[in-house]
Amino acid sequence: QQPVQSPQAVILREGEDAVINCSSSKALYSVHWYRQKHGEAPVFLMILLKGGEQKGHEKISASFNEKKQQSSLYLTASQLSYSGTYFCGTDGSGNTGKLIFGQGTTLQVKP
Amino acid sequence: DAGVIQSPRHEVTEMGQEVTLRCKPISGHDYLFWYRQTMMRGLELLIYFNNNVPIDDSGMPEDRFSAKMPNASFSTLKIQPSEPRDSAVYFCASSLAGGQKYGYTFGSGTRLTVV
Repeated sequence: QQPVQSPQAVILREGEDAVINCSSSKALYSVHWYRQKHGEAPVFLMILLKGGEQKGHEKISASFNEKKQQSSLYLTASQLSYSGTYFCGTDGSGNTGKLIFGQGTTLQVKP
Repeated sequence: DAGVIQSPRHEVTEMGQEVTLRCKPISGHDYLFWYRQTMMRGLELLIYFNNNVPIDDSGMPEDRFSAKMPNASFSTLKIQPSEPRDSAVYFCASSLAGGQKYGYTFGSGTRLTVV
């Protein structure tokens, strides 16, 4: 089942912070986060595993609440380069390696 | 490594024609995925392989779609016959051990237009 992301879109000024949420109705083994710029392929940011948490970048981090079946992506002191569409991908409790992606959150950072 | 390589980058075809999309995964990766992206449906998983074996094809929309992975370095997605509603960007992605450490690496995609 497809995870649900919120918000659908957000507009920021440079230096502002943003939070993108991802929730699932199923138990999760892992949550992936990707960023896609217009006309390009999605690029892997980080993965959070059940029982652990991984920070992929200095100003981009994420949390994973297994009980609530939710993950949040935190972007601090946003830069123009952060603009794009962010997708979470969830791997059900079976650890199959099969990711189902949310519908995406479009982030626009303005000068 | 050159990353995941897809061809062609763009394909325009007429309804009813056969279309073949190609993918070369990253050497050493043991998982390969085919996704389709549209504005309406987002990123949809079509099929994935592990060690060249199809594991889950439940996302393949119809019998018109088929995918093969004859060896570890090549996969194809075929649509026969093609229809206008198949127009989308098709991504191939590969990963090591299901992507649990380094995630997926996506190819640049093939933009398919069926007229």
